[in-house]
Amino acid sequence: GNSVTQMEGPVTLSEEAFLTINCTYTATGYPSLFWYVQYPGEGLQLLLKATKADDKGSNKGFEATYRKETTSFHLEKGSVQVSDSAVYFCALSPFKAAGNKLTFGGGTRVLVKP
Amino acid sequence: DTAVSQTPKYLVTQMGNDKSIKCEQNLGHDTMYWYKQDSKKFLKIMFSYNNKELIINETVPNRFSPKSPDKAHLNLHINSLELGDSAVYFCASSQDSREKLFFGSGTQLSVL
Repeated sequence: GNSVTQMEGPVTLSEEAFLTINCTYTATGYPSLFWYVQYPGEGLQLLLKATKADDKGSNKGFEATYRKETTSFHLEKGSVQVSDSAVYFCALSPFKAAGNKLTFGGGTRVLVKP
Repeated sequence: DTAVSQTPKYLVTQMGNDKSIKCEQNLGHDTMYWYKQDSKKFLKIMFSYNNKELIINETVPNRFSPKSPDKAHLNLHINSLELGDSAVYFCASSQDSREKLFFGSGTQLSVL
């Protein structure tokens, strides 16, 4: 079956530090890959996505590149802010699946300190 | 206007009770979902409806019954609540199967 594995948190950083959250996946075919973010007390929001190999998704200074050879979709941001404190979820959507059956990783809590 | 709204935000109840969570989306989307997030933040799909038709039904106890009166609403009814049902339940919607999901802000269910 499909699965997503991401590094466990919490990840604690100082403002302006570099952030990397690793994500690897197992899936058949060519899934779409996503990063969702959950701010405290809120639902998840799509942060970025990539639908094919070598695609780079980017938004709000975050980037992730779809690497089929390593089945990875690591999230990076060059300089984090306190407002980036949240839980980040890596997810995949199977190719040609009925419905949008996202499989999520376990989430990585990020805490950015001033 | 809230795109995906679910009520109530908090629900505290006793074991054995029956409760419902309501969800409405005003985005005109065709597909709606219920996800369960446990205490470790692990998120798992429960159900998905497309135009009022059930298309995803994961291995969920039959005490959980989704109902979609129209494509803008997807309610979740839970019978005979158990301690293990305590979690945050998220409703979501999307335009079609490959588009991004829009999530509600969650319903925190506590079963005592």
